[in-house]
Amino acid sequence: GNSVTQMEGPVTLSEEAFLTINCTYTATGYPSLFWYVQYPGEGLQLLLKATKADDKGSNKGFEATYRKETTSFHLEKGSVQVSDSAVYFCALKRGGGSNYKLTFGKGTLLTVNP
Amino acid sequence: AAGVIQSPRHLIKEKRETATLKCYPIPRHDTVYWYQQGPGQDPQFLISFYEKMQSDKGSIPDRFSAQQFSDYHSELNMSSLELGDSALYFCASSRGLAGGSSYNEQFFGPGTRLTVL
Repeated sequence: GNSVTQMEGPVTLSEEAFLTINCTYTATGYPSLFWYVQYPGEGLQLLLKATKADDKGSNKGFEATYRKETTSFHLEKGSVQVSDSAVYFCALKRGGGSNYKLTFGKGTLLTVNP
Repeated sequence: AAGVIQSPRHLIKEKRETATLKCYPIPRHDTVYWYQQGPGQDPQFLISFYEKMQSDKGSIPDRFSAQQFSDYHSELNMSSLELGDSALYFCASSRGLAGGSSYNEQFFGPGTRLTVL
């Protein structure tokens, strides 16, 4: 079945540091890949997505590239801010159709200190 | 822009009681998904509906049932509540079975936090 593995946290960085959160997946076919962010006490917000190999999703300074050869979708940001402190979830959705469920990774807690 | 609405936002129940969670999707969205997120856990898919029919089923206990109504809102009914049912329950909606990835992005509601005492 489909699964997502992401690096365990927590990750603690200083403001303006470089961020990488690793995510790899196992899936049949060509899934769509997502990063969701969950701020304390809030729901899930879509951060970025990629629907086919070599696509790069980007938003708010975050980027992730869909790498089929390494089955990876690592999240990166060049300079983190305190406001980026949150839990980040990598997720995939089976391709080929539209209303399939999301499969999430375990989540990575990011804390950014001033 | 309109978002997914969930009610109530917080719910406290005793063991063996029942609970009903409601979800109102974004206008013109026809697909609703339910996820359960335990403390410190990743969201787990429970069930989904497309055009009022169940479209997929995940790890939903037999004590739970759900349906989607003619106005596309959905309700998750939970009976014989157990301590382990304490979790954040998310509803998400999307426009299903339309071409293009932008039509199937799932938008999440703020969640209902259920506490079973």
